[in-house]
Amino acid sequence: KAGVTQTPRYLIKTRGQQVTLSCSPISGHRSVSWYQQTPGQGLQFLFEYFSETQRNKGNFPGRFSGRQFSNSRSEMNVSTLELGDSALYLCASSLDPGIVGNEQFFGPGTRLTVL
Amino acid sequence: AQKITQTQPGMFVQEKEAVTLDCTYDTSDQSYGLFWYKQPSSGEMIFLIYQGSYDEQNATEGRYSLNFQKARKSANLVISASQLGDSAMYFCAMREGKAGGTSYGKLTFGQGTILTVHP
Repeated sequence: KAGVTQTPRYLIKTRGQQVTLSCSPISGHRSVSWYQQTPGQGLQFLFEYFSETQRNKGNFPGRFSGRQFSNSRSEMNVSTLELGDSALYLCASSLDPGIVGNEQFFGPGTRLTVL
Repeated sequence: AQKITQTQPGMFVQEKEAVTLDCTYDTSDQSYGLFWYKQPSSGEMIFLIYQGSYDEQNATEGRYSLNFQKARKSANLVISASQLGDSAMYFCAMREGKAGGTSYGKLTFGQGTILTVHP
């Protein structure tokens, strides 16, 4: 069974640009969560989607948005990039978000550098 | 308030010895789950072990065990017989339940502990 895939793996953008990151969950998983990882702030939850609906959102500005498609693939978009958006963006999928012990499987991440 | 606290920024252990990585948490929920993940330098998060708040037995997965002390709100990871490949960053994380027992995907992570295994 294929794992969580994220594209692209590496990305370099300049301030003010926008970027779209993609995540394909494990087959059969309907929940996709996104996290931002930086040396200063650590791992922070961005948002979670289930059946094309955003179920939970972290404390990030409106420049960060996401969506989920009917095949469970998810994209996140960051508009008007800032230097501080440079980070590793991790996507995780799980089978059923309604179960507190449900394991999340992470993808390899997209490393975004904003110049 | 920080919900997950990992007080050890770095730990060193000799190969084949056991090591304990500390994690304390804070929640008012009765239903919650505690997870440990390993992150090698490649960046991918690897699930290691899970403990549910209602589980009476400590979780074990191969060389990994979780020392769960609910009253103290601690969930320490014990790695037995350390191997060189265990050198990585280790994160403790929690998923809290919501009213009605429904939980959505959010994991709250600690700051991590870098483990270095010496030969």
